Amino acid sequence: NAGVTQTPKFQVLKTGQSMTLQCAQDMNHNSMYWYRQDPGMGLRLIYYSASEGTTDKGEVPNGYNVSRLNKREFSLRLESAAPSQTSVYFCASSVDYTNTEAFFGQGTRLTVV
Amino acid sequence: GDSVTQMEGPVTLSEEAFLTINCTYTATGYPSLFWYVQYPGEGLQLLLKATKADDKGSNKGFEATYRKETTSFHLEKGSVQVSDSAVYFCALSGPGGNNRLAFGKGNQVVVIP
Repeated sequence: NAGVTQTPKFQVLKTGQSMTLQCAQDMNHNSMYWYRQDPGMGLRLIYYSASEGTTDKGEVPNGYNVSRLNKREFSLRLESAAPSQTSVYFCASSVDYTNTEAFFGQGTRLTVV
Repeated sequence: GDSVTQMEGPVTLSEEAFLTINCTYTATGYPSLFWYVQYPGEGLQLLLKATKADDKGSNKGFEATYRKETTSFHLEKGSVQVSDSAVYFCALSGPGGNNRLAFGKGNQVVVIP
């Protein structure tokens, strides 16, 4: 009954440090997504992977990279963290990119100081 | 591009009151429309959806009707409970079948006993 699992739940980084946010889903979904949530901004799509082996930019990709490691896992990397990347990050998945119901993880709260 | 607009500001109301949260959208073609709910400390969950004009989505006492003529998808509940306190997001998915959900900014709903 796990659904979408994100790690870590909380992280504090210093400016310039790097880190990878991990996401795994156990629903055999083809498509996976990374969003960031900022106060008063809703959710904005960073990157998505329509299927294993493909990744594409969303609306706010700058400063991030992603890897679709296999069908289950989709990681988000910050190579050189900046204070503007302080946010809550959500991973989501869906059956495929034509199926419009997305299932979300519980989020990672990242603070960059 | 496709976008969603939600009414500004938090919503505070008493238990058993009537809730309305407005949502309007801009999109080419005929998108699918969604309401997601986020309880404190959790990820987003799909609350209801409608995939074509005049469809009514409903779940847990909440309803929303897809109105093409007014490009709206307002969320309503006749009698709210304290447990309905959460953040509610309106979203749309483009008509091309690409599940790139576009979210509104969200509305914090606080229900007072």
